[in-house]
Order: sequence, then structure tokens, then C-alpha cells
Amino acid sequence: KAGVTQTPRYLIKTRGQQVTLSCSPISGHRSVSWYQQTPGQGLQFLFEYFSETQRNKGNFPGRFSGRQFSNSRSEMNVSTLELGDSALYLCASSTPGQGAYEQYFGPGTRLTVT
Amino acid sequence: AQTVTQSQPEMSVQEAETVTLSCTYDTSENNYYLFWYKQPPSRQMILVIRQEAYKQQNATENRFSVNFQKAAKSFSLKISDSQLGDTAMYFCAFTAPLSGSARQLTFGSGTQLTVLP
Repeated sequence: KAGVTQTPRYLIKTRGQQVTLSCSPISGHRSVSWYQQTPGQGLQFLFEYFSETQRNKGNFPGRFSGRQFSNSRSEMNVSTLELGDSALYLCASSTPGQGAYEQYFGPGTRLTVT
Repeated sequence: AQTVTQSQPEMSVQEAETVTLSCTYDTSENNYYLFWYKQPPSRQMILVIRQEAYKQQNATENRFSVNFQKAAKSFSLKISDSQLGDTAMYFCAFTAPLSGSARQLTFGSGTQLTVLP
């Protein structure tokens, strides 16, 4: 099976702009979670989508949003970019089954805000 | 809220030797899952091993094994016969299905492991 894919792998944006990141889960996985990784804050949960619905959201401002499509692919959007949004954004997918709570991660999107 | 603590920011081990990485966690949940992930320089996060809290038997995956002490809320990772490819950042992670956040992993701050030739 193909793994989780994320596009683009690298992005450079300017303060005030907005950005959209994409994630395609492992085939058959219907849950997609997003994480932000920074040297200062470590790995922080952004949100999780299942069957096109946001089930859970972390402690991030409303500038961070996401959505999921019927084929389970997910996008996250960050509006009005700030310098502090520079980070590695990781997407992870998992199966919906009971007991299967491990998540499989994509390679990440490195976002640099200048 | 759950917290995960990794008190060893950096560790090193000689090739072929054994090393143990420590992790403690805090939770009021009784049903939860613990994981170790590794993140090599490529930044790809890779699942190493998982442990269900209701299982008393410690999980093992080839050269990787855990020492799960539920009462002490401790979850250490032992790597036997260390290989150069084991050089990576290792993260301990936690999730509690019944808390309504089954797919939300809480991570520790990580331990950078370097395997020396």
C-alpha cells in the first residue's frame, strides 16, 4: 500500500498570505489528523477529520482550518500567515477500527514564512 | 489533560550495544494506548512500537521492546543491538480513546539518539 502523501513538500510564503496544504491518506484510512512541529513547541495537534467532519480540534487560532473530501483526502489552510507559523506540518492517517489507534505519518510539508 | 514527559533530550550508544529511552506520562484515564515513534533526519515519522494499557505483557518488535509500568506511569523503550540506522529523534506518544480524542496523539518532547560507530 502506498503511504501517506503530502503536497507540497516545501513552501515559502510571506507574512499576511494564506496557504493550503494537502494530504492523501493510506488507502482505506478514513481518519486524518494534522500536527504542527516546531523546535520551540514540539509536536502539537491541530485537528482531526473523519468522514468529512472535524471530530477534534487542538488549541490553535481560527486562522487554522481544514476540511476533508469524500475520498478522505484532507486539506488544511492557514490564513494571514505569521512568522510563528513557520513549521513542519505533518499529516497522519489511521483506520476507523476499534483498537487501531496508531497513526501513520506523511513526510510533512515544511512551511517557511518570511 | 494528559502529559507525556521525556527527560533525556539526548543520548548516545555504541553500535551493537543496548540503550533504554525513558518516558513517563500522566493521565486519569484507564484505557489508553502508548506509542514510540522515531523521526530520522528525513523527518519522516515512523511508528516503532505500540502498547495497549490493558495488556500486561510488554510489546516487542524485533530489536525494540518496551517496559510498561502502568502503576508508575512509565513506558521506556529498549533498543537492542543498536544500528547506525537507529540514529533518530524518538518520541513517546499517548492517546486515550474514551476521552473523545482517540485520534489525537499527545507527544513528549523527544530524545535525540545517536548511534556511534
